Amino acid sequence: GQQLNQSPQSMFIQEGEDVSMNCTSSSIFNTWLWYKQEPGEGPVLLIALYKAGELTSNGRLTAQFGITRKDSFLNISASIPSDVGIYFCAGQRNTGKLIFGQGTTLQVKP
Amino acid sequence: GAVVSQHPSWVICKSGTSVKIECRSLDFQATTMFWYRQFPKQSLMLMATSNEGSKATYEQGVEKDKFLINHASLTLSTLTVTSAHPEDSSFYICSPLAGVTDTQYFGPGTRLTVL
Repeated sequence: GQQLNQSPQSMFIQEGEDVSMNCTSSSIFNTWLWYKQEPGEGPVLLIALYKAGELTSNGRLTAQFGITRKDSFLNISASIPSDVGIYFCAGQRNTGKLIFGQGTTLQVKP
Repeated sequence: GAVVSQHPSWVICKSGTSVKIECRSLDFQATTMFWYRQFPKQSLMLMATSNEGSKATYEQGVEKDKFLINHASLTLSTLTVTSAHPEDSSFYICSPLAGVTDTQYFGPGTRLTVL
């Protein structure tokens, strides 16, 4: 099935560093969402973006909906060990179906 | 926040047997239910979409006779993997769509291992 292009695939950073990841698509989405998944659990919604150009924050997380509606990025500032996990972007169309990126695995070294 | 439960959280079964996975939205009504499958180190792939009281719509490559979906009420949907084989071993995740807010939530997932 179709997937979004998410990068980087993995990151290993030092605690306190900022993190940036992004997703791109060849097609337009109405909504962009960012999820975090920990081992053996379902994804948990972090941020939802509904309008092109929208910039939204949730604590240390900031995400933007690209102007072209074909991309989005997620930034995590001042990373901490509990940020470890897999982060997924997802694009949503009118049907409600989500198309997921391949995921970014984040590891934080204390 | 919205609470979604799945049961069982994990199951091990013999090849050829059928396994039923339940998904419940505990504090909201879900007119639409999405079922995903996730293989190790991969992303979530949509298997099927069901609306309450209607037949499910399956994604390309997903066998409807093998993965039976029942969405009998606004708070309960089931996925039955019939005649399971080792290649069906995966992490199955339900995702009810809250009609009021149009927000999609995810269940905690069910780990299926077929021996």
